Amino acid sequence: DAGVTQSPTHLIKTRGQQVTLRCSPISGHKSVSWYQQVLGQGPQFIFQYYEKEERGRGNFPDRFSARQFPNYSSELNVNALLLGDSALYLCASSLGQGLVGNTIYFGEGSWLTVV
Amino acid sequence: GEDVEQSLFLSVREGDSSVINCTYTDSSSTYLYWYKQEPGAGLQLLTYIFSNMDMKQDQRLTVLLNKKDKHLSLRIADTQTGDSAIYFCAEIPDTNTGTASKLTFGTGTRLQVTL
Repeated sequence: DAGVTQSPTHLIKTRGQQVTLRCSPISGHKSVSWYQQVLGQGPQFIFQYYEKEERGRGNFPDRFSARQFPNYSSELNVNALLLGDSALYLCASSLGQGLVGNTIYFGEGSWLTVV
Repeated sequence: GEDVEQSLFLSVREGDSSVINCTYTDSSSTYLYWYKQEPGAGLQLLTYIFSNMDMKQDQRLTVLLNKKDKHLSLRIADTQTGDSAIYFCAEIPDTNTGTASKLTFGTGTRLQVTL
C-alpha cells in the first residue's frame, strides 16, 4: 500500500501569491493533518480534518485554509504568501478512530520557497 | 501548557548505544512518539508509547517513559551510520479527544554517528 503522498514536492512562489498543496492519506485513513516545519525547528500543527470536517486548528493566520474531500484527500491553501511562509509542509495521516491505535504517519512533505 | 524539549546535538561512535532524551510539560499526555527525519525528507515514525507503559522495546530501539518526571528517552543499540538523522519526540496532550491528532513536537536532536 502507498504511504502518505504529497504534491508538489518542491515549489517556488513570489510574495503575495497563493499556493495549494495536496495530500492523499494512507488507504483507509480518514484523518489528515497539516504541519509547517521551518528550517531548524520541529513541525508546528496547522489543521486537522476528519470526515471532511475541521477538528483542530493551530495558531496560524486566516491566510491558511484547508479542506478535505470525500475520498479523504486534502488540500492546504495559503494566500498572500510572505517570506516567512517558506517551509516544509507536512501532511499526516491517521485512522482517526480516537486515541486508541491513533498511529500518525507523515508524507515526505512539500518544500515551499517564497521569494 | 504544552512544551517539549530536547537537547540539540548528540555524537556517538558506530557500534555504541545512543540515548536521546526528551522532557515534556503536559502531565496528561496520552501518546508519546519518536520520529526520525533524514536530510531533505519527511518524518518517519520509529515507535510510540502509551502513557500507561514504562518501557517499550522494538528491535534496536528501547523507549523509556518516566511519567513522574515527564521524561522520555529513546535508546538505539548498536548505532549505525544510517542512524544519523534528526530525532523528534512528540506528544498528544490529553486535551485532544476523539479524532484529534495534534502532535506537539520538540526541537529535534541531531544524531551524528562517527566511525
